[in-house]
Formats: sequence, C-alpha cells, structure tokens
Amino acid sequence: DIQMTQSPSSLSASVGDGVTITCRASQTISSYLNWYQHKAGKAPKLLIYAASSLQSGVPSRFSGSGSGTDFTLTISSLQPEDFATYYCQQGYSTPYTFGQGTKLEIK
Amino acid sequence: VQLLESGGGLVQPGGSLRLSCAASGFTISSYGMNWVRQAPGKGLEWVSAISASGTGRSYADSVKGRFTISRDNSKNTLYLEMNSLRAEDTAVYYCAKFATSAPSDYWGQGTLVTVSS
Repeated sequence: DIQMTQSPSSLSASVGDGVTITCRASQTISSYLNWYQHKAGKAPKLLIYAASSLQSGVPSRFSGSGSGTDFTLTISSLQPEDFATYYCQQGYSTPYTFGQGTKLEIK
Repeated sequence: VQLLESGGGLVQPGGSLRLSCAASGFTISSYGMNWVRQAPGKGLEWVSAISASGTGRSYADSVKGRFTISRDNSKNTLYLEMNSLRAEDTAVYYCAKFATSAPSDYWGQGTLVTVSS
C-alpha cells in the first residue's frame, strides 16, 4: 500500500500570509495527486487535481506542484475562508490513501 | 451533479447497515466510484472502490471481509453493505467520484453511522 505523509499536521498563520503544505508518497504516484479542503459538516472540496491543475472556480492563490513522490500545496495570500483542514490523496492505486491532514488555524 | 447518501443511523455492535448513494446529473456506470469515511476527530479514510466496469472492487484492510460495495446501474445508485459493525466504524460516510486526469470530482453530503450499544 502507498503511504501518504503530510506535513505539518497543524499550521497557524495570519490573513495575508503565504503557506506551504507538503505531501510525500512512499512510492512513485506519477501525478495522481489531489488536494482537498475540508470544513466541518461539509463535503471535501477539490482544489488541485493531477498534482498541479487548478479546479475550476478555485481561486488562483491556490497552487500545486510536484510529481513522483514529493508534492506541495501553496496558498499565496491567506483569506479568512481558507482556514480549514487540507488533505492530499493519491489516486495511483488502491487503497486510495489520504494524508493525515493539515489543520490551518488563524494566528 | 448530485450525490445523495442515505441509510445511516444507530446500530449495535455486530449489526448491519446498508448505505445508498443516489446519483443525478451523471452516470455512475461510466466511472469508478468510492466510499470515504471520517470518524469523529479523525481524518479522511478511503473505504472502498468499484471500477467503472463493476468487476473491480477494492477495500481498506480495516473493512475487508465485512463491507461490500456494489451498484445498480438501472437506479444510478451506489451501495455499501456493512456487516459485523464495530464501534470504530462510527463515522460520516461519503460517496465520491474522484478527479484523476480530468477535473470531475463529486462528493455527497455524507451520512452518519453510529455503532453503539
């Protein structure tokens, strides 16, 4: 099984800050990597698919990069609505594992 | 596009439950479909997948042998049959179609399963 190691597990930042979340796969997953934003009581929202493609309707302050085993999600200028939990997820092979999540909190 | 889960509820340990996920706006038989869950205070956990053809089914080790994924193409509905339920199966269960190289990514609103005596 492919393990997804996401870091940090939590992050405190201010509105306007830029932040980066990393995700490492235990073996190569090519570019089969999605990033989700999850808020309590709601369905996860796709931000980035195929490692670096921005989902339609998602603000351009979100960006993704990487391939193989190392991936990053960057938020360039945090807005109040961005404080949530973020997950990476590999779609290369089953089980389609998620990272442990990064809880982004307001400083 | 909409996915609407139903069938959650309170069940005793060792009991069974069947979750349904009715799709509209797209045809589930054209895509691989998944179940994902989130236990209280925990992260997202992929549970099971069924291939577009319906012949391929996969399960997380934590549910293998107890859960069965299936679908009824005529009803455009995905199912998850859950047997021998344990307290650790308590979670919100989502059905989902993941994006891959194309951006179509759909999730239901979730249904809560509580396993408790």
